[in-house]
Amino acid sequence: AQSVTQPDIHITVSEGASLELRCNYSYGATPYLFWYVQSPGQGLQLLLKYFSGDTLVQGIKGFEAEFKRSQSSFNLRKPSVHWSDAAEYFCAVESGGFKTIFGAGTRLFVKA
Amino acid sequence: DAGVIQSPRHEVTEMGQEVTLRCKPISGHNSLFWYRQTMMRGLELLIYFNNNVPIDDSGMPEDRFSAKMPNASFSTLKIQPSEPRDSAVYFCASSLADTKEQYFGPGTRLTVT
Repeated sequence: AQSVTQPDIHITVSEGASLELRCNYSYGATPYLFWYVQSPGQGLQLLLKYFSGDTLVQGIKGFEAEFKRSQSSFNLRKPSVHWSDAAEYFCAVESGGFKTIFGAGTRLFVKA
Repeated sequence: DAGVIQSPRHEVTEMGQEVTLRCKPISGHNSLFWYRQTMMRGLELLIYFNNNVPIDDSGMPEDRFSAKMPNASFSTLKIQPSEPRDSAVYFCASSLADTKEQYFGPGTRLTVT
């Protein structure tokens, strides 16, 4: 069965520091991969997606993610974190058809 | 574009009462999803529709839950009778099947006492 693992429940980084959020997936075919962000009290917002082609994808708000097939990973990165990036981040994989499976989420805390 | 619209934003009801949550997807989108989010279970897909037809309702927890999509611009999720364990935030999302990008509504926070 398809699955998405985000091994870090929460991460704390200093403002201005770099960020990497980990995501591993289990899926037999070439997956469609996504990162979403959820701010408190709001719905999820798409940051970026990978379907095919260049394995380094750029998203909104300065985020990027790299697809590594050999590691079954799709880690999210940002070179310099801002206080407004504090939120929960979800990795997701589309498992075929219309169904998207979400990871458990990683909550990001940003300290001044 | 107004985005996905959900109503009500908050609902407090007593155990045993019927609850109806409403969703208006983004115009032109042909897929619609209902999710439930709790601290314990995270984000769970309940049901999704494509072109107003339910495709997979395997995530619906039990017969107390039902969902309809009578037309392309409206969907409901009904819980009858409601129970305290149904307390959660319920999200509706819509997408174009080709792009697979889901646009989420602001959610309905349901509290069943």
